[in-house]
Amino acid sequence: DAKTTQPPSMDCAEGRAANLPCNHSTISGNEYVYWYRQIHSQGPQYIIHGLKNNETNEMASLIITEDRKSSTLILPHATLRDTAVYYCIVGETSGSRLTFGEGTQLTVNP
Amino acid sequence: DVKVTQSSRYLVKRTGEKVFLECVQDMDHENMFWYRQDPGLGLRLIYFSYDVKMKEKGDIPEGYSVSREKKERFSLILESASTNQTSMYLCASSESGQGVDYGYTFGSGTRLTVV
Repeated sequence: DAKTTQPPSMDCAEGRAANLPCNHSTISGNEYVYWYRQIHSQGPQYIIHGLKNNETNEMASLIITEDRKSSTLILPHATLRDTAVYYCIVGETSGSRLTFGEGTQLTVNP
Repeated sequence: DVKVTQSSRYLVKRTGEKVFLECVQDMDHENMFWYRQDPGLGLRLIYFSYDVKMKEKGDIPEGYSVSREKKERFSLILESASTNQTSMYLCASSESGQGVDYGYTFGSGTRLTVV
């Protein structure tokens, strides 16, 4: 699996957009970009994934650069409940093993 | 609501005991995974299984074994618990693909303390 690089921590004001970056310069052509988040004392929760195109669901948007070497997870209107560790992972599918790094601690401030 | 259920939220065991951590999923998923999570080390894969009665070693299998006798249940076994196995243990399950990918579904975790 390709390795990812994320900032260790970020802050965001409540109600504003949170943009979480991820670098994955060694991603291969058949690998997807996955995002999960982990709220304190709970198991990680799947958010979204994509291959080449930008994706949006009820939780977030995923923007993948054309060269696929980086991506950004966007929470359009962050709330206090979005405070969590966010993991960016690359892998072939969820049917395969995924390697979780340290992630980004996002703190949403009132 | 789909679920991955881990049998215990908190567990305290003595050094040398044989410990069983149970995980059950109700989504008919083919794939199941066991991770441990430690501060500063993130989630590390211990074992995983793509089907009943099959298992694959992850990144840190030493000191652990697993059992998958039924599709819905994946057990992690600590043959002789040691203090360095004190950790949060997380179980997950997923579909096999075929154009469908909803990611992993994780359980709430078992915090194991070995004294």
